[in-house]
Amino acid sequence: GAVVSQHPSRVICKSGTSVKIECRSLDFQATTMFWYRQFPKQSLMLMATSNEGSKATYEQGVEKDKFLINHASLTLSTLTVTSAHPEDSSFYICSAGTGRTEAFFGQGTRLTVV
Amino acid sequence: QQPVQSPQAVILREGEDAVINCSSSKALYSVHWYRQKHGEAPVFLMILLKGGEQKGHDKISASFNEKKQQSSLYLTASQLSYSGTYFCGTGGGNQGGKLIFGQGTELSVKP
Repeated sequence: GAVVSQHPSRVICKSGTSVKIECRSLDFQATTMFWYRQFPKQSLMLMATSNEGSKATYEQGVEKDKFLINHASLTLSTLTVTSAHPEDSSFYICSAGTGRTEAFFGQGTRLTVV
Repeated sequence: QQPVQSPQAVILREGEDAVINCSSSKALYSVHWYRQKHGEAPVFLMILLKGGEQKGHDKISASFNEKKQQSSLYLTASQLSYSGTYFCGTGGGNQGGKLIFGQGTELSVKP
């Protein structure tokens, strides 16, 4: 199956700093990627849809100025959490796929803001 | 609209069976089932694309009732490795891989 690589797997940052998370499709071209956030013991909540070469589409309630998404190439999407606060601590995970195939997930990034 | 899963949690003895249901208030185009172990990414189990479709491998199977807008995941003769949280994800036909996940069902299989 297709491989999606996410980096870093874990990151700890200080409150007020920014963190960038990368999501790469290793053996296929992903024109669309999806970013999810998962708090402990909760479901995966879709944050935004990342489209190659255009602006991301954010779900209701997700601050686009805080969660910057860039999809500059067919194999790379990045999520930057700006001015991170402890409440942003979560498991962030990306995926790629179509509605007719499985969604290929990255390994996820555990973000801890201290 | 987030699909609703039931039950929220289930505890089984090894070898017992379980059914996890996923219901949506919206028409379903596809239903994806995943299992997630603590601290790990979700692992794909299967996808059902059209009404009435049933799929399965090993002792895990699923059905999709398009009319009732629901899907069920069947785990038979459960093994310890089946423990984890199961999520159904519903996809819209014109929304590519965008999935809306249910709240999850925590399954624990005891020896």
